[in-house]
Amino acid sequence: DTGVSQNPRHKITKRGQNVTFRCDPISEHNRLYWYRQTLGQGPEFLTYFQNEAQLEKSRLLSDRFSAERPKGSFSTLEIQRTEQGDSAMYLCASSLADQPQHFGDGTRLSIL
Amino acid sequence: DAKTTQPTSMDCAEGRAANLPCNHSTISGNEYVYWYRQIHSQGPQYIIHGLKNNETNEMASLIITEDRKSSTLILPHATLRDTAVYYCIVSPSSSGSARQLTFGSGTQLTVLP
Repeated sequence: DTGVSQNPRHKITKRGQNVTFRCDPISEHNRLYWYRQTLGQGPEFLTYFQNEAQLEKSRLLSDRFSAERPKGSFSTLEIQRTEQGDSAMYLCASSLADQPQHFGDGTRLSIL
Repeated sequence: DAKTTQPTSMDCAEGRAANLPCNHSTISGNEYVYWYRQIHSQGPQYIIHGLKNNETNEMASLIITEDRKSSTLILPHATLRDTAVYYCIVSPSSSGSARQLTFGSGTQLTVLP
């Protein structure tokens, strides 16, 4: 399968802990996006990379959130000091230039 | 980005065509219409997109009105596996922009046996 891969698929953690998610985009896709989706809502944009450069961040991305794409391939999204409100599905998408975005199946985060 | 309006839910009989409408009356000249769908517990799946002309691929057809203020996604022969939330999104096409997708609440399509 050569689609967007996200790990882990599920993460359960206690409030206050740090969590990190990984996204492996489709090979050679230079653009990578992170979205967050809460129950019953559509995905909301968080941040965007072109190659290794983080070019745009949403106001939703508080200072507890950090994303990296060190070599322009895979990306990680870290949430520090997790809160109840961080419970959501975190989705990654990738695209080539101006082509449509293709999504992974997400990481579902549950905060106890 | 222009906002879109979609019905909350629709039903369709298996084997019949499913026609999903979308209003985007404030669409700008450089904005494309994209359709994605999301099956429960999966990520959104790209279906089709277009600017002015009608488009067709192996999954669906997209009909855009001449004034571009509305569009219809057509699944020609719906199957039970087409049950999903369908999102209509308008997004700029300019090169170099992030083109983040702004999802609304979508239409829950239920295909009935």
